[in-house]
Amino acid sequence: AQSVTQPDIHITVSEGASLELRCNYSYGATPYLFWYVQSPGQGLQLLLKYFSGDTLVQGIKGFEAEFKRSQSSFNLRKPSVHWSDAAEYFCAVGARTNAGKSTFGDGTTLTVKP
Amino acid sequence: NAGVTQTPKFRVLKTGQSMTLLCAQDMNHEYMYWYRQDPGMGLRLIHYSVGEGTTAKGEVPDGYNVSRLKKQNFLLGLESAAPSQTSVYFCASSQSAGGPGEQFFGPGTRLTVL
Repeated sequence: AQSVTQPDIHITVSEGASLELRCNYSYGATPYLFWYVQSPGQGLQLLLKYFSGDTLVQGIKGFEAEFKRSQSSFNLRKPSVHWSDAAEYFCAVGARTNAGKSTFGDGTTLTVKP
Repeated sequence: NAGVTQTPKFRVLKTGQSMTLLCAQDMNHEYMYWYRQDPGMGLRLIHYSVGEGTTAKGEVPDGYNVSRLKKQNFLLGLESAAPSQTSVYFCASSQSAGGPGEQFFGPGTRLTVL
């Protein structure tokens, strides 16, 4: 069975500082990996995804993530955080043979200090 | 192009009442999903559908029923609401082609059961 762990429930960073959100997954084969963002009162929006190829993927809003198979990780990064990045972030893992389903982590809430 | 829409946005029920949540997508997606989101528990899959006329149970199906009579619509029913079903409900859809794709989410329905 596939699973996702986001070790950090809540992270606070200062505006302009760098950000890294951690995600560890469990899945036997090559996973399909996603990061979504949820602003308050909204649905989830895709930031980026990894299926194959280059292990460093670029997404929207200046985010990037790196797939590290040896560490079963897919951490999300941003070099300089903006106040508008305050939101909840979800990592998700999917499998080719799983009816299109993804398993989501419990989320990390990001607070941005002025 | 509205994407994924959900009706209603808010609802308050009394224990034992029934209701139906409607999800509609205009992207011609094959797969549709219903999730519930509770604080600290991420997204949990209730039911899903891989095509018109098909439905399947997810992680937490008890107390819910679904139907997908038309490709663009996915209905979630609560036959006898319980306080434990107080939650935010999200519908999502995705394209099936060859593996789990990006899921597109609706804005959510906030349900309170008294």
